[in-house]
Amino acid sequence: GNSVTQMEGPVTLSEEAFLTINCTYTATGYPSLFWYVQYPGEGLQLLLKATKADDKGSNKGFEATYRKETTSFHLEKGSVQVSDSAVYFCALSPNNAGNMLTFGGGTRLMVKP
Amino acid sequence: GAVVSQHPSWVICKSGTSVKIECRSLDFQATTMFWYRQFPKQSLMLMATSNEGSKATYEQGVEKDKFLINHASLTLSTLTVTSAHPEDSSFYICSARAGQGRNQPQHFGDGTRLSIL
Repeated sequence: GNSVTQMEGPVTLSEEAFLTINCTYTATGYPSLFWYVQYPGEGLQLLLKATKADDKGSNKGFEATYRKETTSFHLEKGSVQVSDSAVYFCALSPNNAGNMLTFGGGTRLMVKP
Repeated sequence: GAVVSQHPSWVICKSGTSVKIECRSLDFQATTMFWYRQFPKQSLMLMATSNEGSKATYEQGVEKDKFLINHASLTLSTLTVTSAHPEDSSFYICSARAGQGRNQPQHFGDGTRLSIL
């Protein structure tokens, strides 16, 4: 079946540090890949997505590249801010299942000033 | 655009009470809505998928008589937790999708925190 594996958190960084949150997936076919962000006490917000191999999704300084050869979709940001503190979820949607999302376990990011 | 409103945001009630949670798509028609449950510091677990005008499809292990889902219109789905008990305390999140395309994203509500005493 489909699955998404994320690095366990929490990830604690100082402001302006470089961020990488690893995400790998298992799926048949060619899934679409997503990163969602959840701020405390809130629902999920779509951060970025990629729908085919080698696509790069980007938003608000965050980037992730769809790597089919390594089945990965790592999230990166060059310089994090305190306001980036949240939980980040990697997710996939299989190509033939009507966009059903499978989520990774989530990674909590804490950015200190 | 693509705003999903969930209500209430937080509810506390006594054991045995039934609680209804509403999920509304404010500026688009949602052909499909999803209900998730999230335990503290854990990921989202899909409970059920509802399509407007038809019965919801429940994931394995989710009691359909316990968690009643109604998707009566293209902008509203409700989840009723019947005879709630403390173990039902959780964060419930809905999402809505406008179309069937593989690139159509799900838009999430802000969640409902349910606390059963």
